[in-house]
Amino acid sequence: EIVLTQSPGTLSLSPGERATLSCRASQSVSSTYLAWYQQKPGQAPRLLIYGASSRATAIPDRFSGSGSGTDFTLTISRLEPEDFAVYYCQQYGSSPLTFGGGTKVEIK
Amino acid sequence: QVQLQESGPGLVKPSETLSLTCAVSGYSISSGYYWGWIRQSPGKGLEWIASIHYSGSTYYNPSLKSRVAISIDMSENQFSLKLSSVTAADTAVYYCARQAPYSSGWHFDYWGQGTLVTVSS
Repeated sequence: EIVLTQSPGTLSLSPGERATLSCRASQSVSSTYLAWYQQKPGQAPRLLIYGASSRATAIPDRFSGSGSGTDFTLTISRLEPEDFAVYYCQQYGSSPLTFGGGTKVEIK
Repeated sequence: QVQLQESGPGLVKPSETLSLTCAVSGYSISSGYYWGWIRQSPGKGLEWIASIHYSGSTYYNPSLKSRVAISIDMSENQFSLKLSSVTAADTAVYYCARQAPYSSGWHFDYWGQGTLVTVSS
């Protein structure tokens, strides 16, 4: 099973700042099979990025994804108030499909 | 707009079978894609349970495979999950979701709102 380790666990930032979230895989994952989701309290996750760097429908361009192999990054260029949430990465490089433990982006 | 809605009992007794259904609107299941179930234990992360292709092919998380069955009903445009021999550890919010084709990444692009299932006597 591929384990995804997300860091940091919590990121405390102010609106307007840049957020950089890391997702490290225990084995190499094809970029095709790396996705990022945003989850707000009481809501279902929302797809942000798929294929490591492709934005999903209606996702603002302040969200970007990058990386390859075992190291992937989600960047939020300038945090808006609605971006404070928990972010998860997900892989399907091999079965089973797994999610990272999440990074909480909180208001400083 | 694709919409998914989970339904089923919110309370299940230990050792019994959890049964959930996901009704899909705005998209015909028989048109393609995969359809999956994911759960999230209170205050914890996300766990993939199972997926099914409209053709009927099924895919299970090995950690749950012995207790899980996923099925599809194209006439009702819905798919279902059964999880047997439940324990308190199966208490979670259960989500259904549409899943992109494998060649496109097998990510989940549309999600239901989730339904809380509590296992308790």
